[in-house]
Amino acid sequence: GENVEQHPSTLSVQEGDSAVIKCTYSDSASNYFPWYKQELGKRPQLIIDIRSNVGEKKDQRIAVTLNKTAKHFSLHITETQPEDSAVYFCAACAGGTSYGKLTFGQGTILTVHP
Amino acid sequence: EPEVTQTPSHQVTQMGQEVILRCVPISNHLYFYWYRQILGQKVEFLVSFYNNEISEKSEIFDDQFSVERPDGSNFTLKIRSTKLEDSAMYFCASSQAFAKNIQYFGAGTRLSVL
Repeated sequence: GENVEQHPSTLSVQEGDSAVIKCTYSDSASNYFPWYKQELGKRPQLIIDIRSNVGEKKDQRIAVTLNKTAKHFSLHITETQPEDSAVYFCAACAGGTSYGKLTFGQGTILTVHP
Repeated sequence: EPEVTQTPSHQVTQMGQEVILRCVPISNHLYFYWYRQILGQKVEFLVSFYNNEISEKSEIFDDQFSVERPDGSNFTLKIRSTKLEDSAMYFCASSQAFAKNIQYFGAGTRLSVL
């Protein structure tokens, strides 16, 4: 089955700096890659996603890149703010008979220091 | 904005007891999921459900687990005889379609088995 590895497990940056979180996946059939942000005690919320027919997607300060050949995808946050502090999860979803099963990475605790 | 709602937020039970975790998916969604997250570990897929049937389940989802859509709005996860290792945060999610479709998560139910 699919396996998703996420790095780093913790990331500490100064406000205004950029943050990059990387994930690799194992199943070449995976074709949908969402990123979720989870603040303490709250639900995971989708912040951006990318489908396998696209190499990059951007939404304001957040961007995701996908390299299908290398089977890795990354989340880029620019001009970080203290409210970006949270746990970030990447996930992969295989098409075909996967019925929407998301396989998650281990999560990255992002801390943005003012 | 419509949300997935889960009740209770925290459930404490004795080992061997049955528990039912409840979820109300977003009203126009047809695909439903349960995930769990043991403290400090990654979010893990349990089961997906569509058209009153299980579409896919993980190896975690053994005979002690069952899901049901008892009416037009609720989606439940039952654990027949809880074990200590069932202690985790359980998330319900829903989407309009399967693969490549955004899954919206509930805030979770924290299950503590004593």
